[in-house]
Amino acid sequence: DAKTTQPPSMDCAEGRAANLPCNHSTISGNEYVYWYRQIHSQGPQYIIHGLKNNETNEMASLIITEDRKSSTLILPHATLRDTAVYYCIVSDHGQNFVFGPGTRLSVLP
Amino acid sequence: DTGVSQDPRHKITKRGQNVTFRCDPISEHNRLYWYRQTLGQGPEFLTYFQNEAQLEKSRLLSDRFSAERPKGSFSTLEIQRTEQGDSAMYLCASSLSISSNPIEQFFGPGTRLTVL
Repeated sequence: DAKTTQPPSMDCAEGRAANLPCNHSTISGNEYVYWYRQIHSQGPQYIIHGLKNNETNEMASLIITEDRKSSTLILPHATLRDTAVYYCIVSDHGQNFVFGPGTRLSVLP
Repeated sequence: DTGVSQDPRHKITKRGQNVTFRCDPISEHNRLYWYRQTLGQGPEFLTYFQNEAQLEKSRLLSDRFSAERPKGSFSTLEIQRTEQGDSAMYLCASSLSISSNPIEQFFGPGTRLTVL
């Protein structure tokens, strides 16, 4: 079973920030939080990962709570092309990812 | 850009036939993973290789499934005596593992199998 829980779906207006939450209350000290997304009929695409500090790259920001029991992926200015299923995964060293059903994000014009 | 490639992209076969899929990872990536994804679900881990060694297999990988990575480069996944329940997207991913650093997996486009 996946170690994370995510809302099944979310909507976001185009141009606004999309904030996708993830709960991982059983995360252990050596496990990282990874985010991937999957656009219809394509393979999952890596977005970002982090351990305990907030992280930012050209795609998104990752905010991890101090107790590490939850995190939020932020897409600062969502576009229609960001419509996808977003997966939050916890894993040590990136092995054998256990994917849950993810959050289906719909960016609306 | 030489990302992860998979061949074929689509395969339609009749129940009972054998099928083989190929995955070419990103050059110099030492780890290669196979996943299966059914409609509406996230990918499910099947197996992974570190170089040519198969290090872990999921219980989902029945004895009809076999994977190889003979020279530590490309990999093949064979399904013998296919069943309708094998219909799914088969995804391959690769990564570069260096010591204990966190690693991201890079996924290919997948092979969609339909068993009639």
